[in-house]
Amino acid sequence: DAGVIQSPRHEVTEMGQEVTLRCKPISGHDYLFWYRQTMMRGLELLIYFNNNVPIDDSGMPEDRFSAKMPNASFSTLKIQPSEPRDSAVYFCASSHRQGYNSPLHFGNGTRLTVT
Amino acid sequence: ILNVEQSPQSLHVQEGDSTNFTCSFPSSNFYALHWYRWETAKSPEALFVMTLNGDEKKKGRISATLNTKEGYSYLYIKGSQPEDSATYLCAFLFGNEKLTFGTGTRLTIIP
Repeated sequence: DAGVIQSPRHEVTEMGQEVTLRCKPISGHDYLFWYRQTMMRGLELLIYFNNNVPIDDSGMPEDRFSAKMPNASFSTLKIQPSEPRDSAVYFCASSHRQGYNSPLHFGNGTRLTVT
Repeated sequence: ILNVEQSPQSLHVQEGDSTNFTCSFPSSNFYALHWYRWETAKSPEALFVMTLNGDEKKKGRISATLNTKEGYSYLYIKGSQPEDSATYLCAFLFGNEKLTFGTGTRLTIIP
């Protein structure tokens, strides 16, 4: 099993540009989560999906952020337009829920820098 | 707002010593408590998922206990080794699906 795969590993972009982060969850996992990690707030949940359906997007900072999961093996997190305060490490994680006992499996993250 | 508190924020421990740190969480509507280890330049990896009051879990030199009635969990490391240096995160499962993370305890083992 290759684990959760995120791309790109690093992204540097200018303010105002569109940024798309990608995630491939572990095959067979029903849940996919997008987290953002910053020094000030630690790991924040942005949005999560169950069987490709967005369940809770209350953590998405504002309308500039959107996420999709068109199929069970792919998800994107898009920021348009990007701003310097979006600079952070973005993690994707997946889990296979069986009651409450399933841990999250994290990807290696995408480090986003907006200048 | 759910508060998951971890203490201390950081900790320096001499190699060979044992140590422990705390995760505090809401004691009502408990579903599960997760512990993760996060090494620098890597991604968080699950250590334990704990669901029952009084649970004790162990993996090698690392163990954890859970008290859901008072809302805390302890993580213990016995005989610390340099490879134990990492940030240890706990996460509270809210509403059966939504994990809320604490800000972590950064552990540094001094050789």
